[in-house]
Amino acid sequence: GEDVEQSLFLSVREGDSSVINCTYTDSSSTYLYWYKQEPGAGLQLLTYIFSNMDMKQDQRLTVLLNKKDKHLSLRIADTQTGDSAIYFCAEIRRDDKLVFGAGTILRVKS
Amino acid sequence: DTAVSQTPKYLVTQMGNDKSIKCEQNLGHDTMYWYKQDSKKFLKIMFSYNNKELIINETVPNRFSPKSPDKAHLNLHINSLELGDSAVYFCASSPRRDYGYTFGSGTRLTVV
Repeated sequence: GEDVEQSLFLSVREGDSSVINCTYTDSSSTYLYWYKQEPGAGLQLLTYIFSNMDMKQDQRLTVLLNKKDKHLSLRIADTQTGDSAIYFCAEIRRDDKLVFGAGTILRVKS
Repeated sequence: DTAVSQTPKYLVTQMGNDKSIKCEQNLGHDTMYWYKQDSKKFLKIMFSYNNKELIINETVPNRFSPKSPDKAHLNLHINSLELGDSAVYFCASSPRRDYGYTFGSGTRLTVV
């Protein structure tokens, strides 16, 4: 399909790990991104991965990329209440457009 | 020190009016964008400019007209506003077209 797909909602307990999944569409995408949007705020670039990598770790964040299945995931270790937000995955398509998924609402329960 | 700044942050206006949203970036980036986020939080690109030249123009009503006076500014003018134009509009910039974008904090437009 043409859409970048994400599950809509994830609820975790504080201290647990969160895994947010995404399926993208363009196998030629050079970079894939995760953005975070807190309520009433703009989009913050959390992390990105280059398409020739399988994994990238950045403090509590781990990004996994499966190019064969066009699957991207974001793992947040030791999830905190401040991590509650909407998480968007995004791909740069061959026409140079950054296309977003619909976003996953992460709710962290204390 | 804001990297990408948009004004105004909130805009409430009546149907039929004409309004503008301004965007400025101080990052020295060559490319700027406008995105629309609807009530379901779905983000869709509207326009992209590279060094003042229009490079992406999605299927957007021609009531929407972007203007880039220089590569640090990309303004969005909307004529004859309609109820369906109510959304949050985000400006963004990037150093090159295949690189991560820096977003502004958004302009919430409400048409009544």
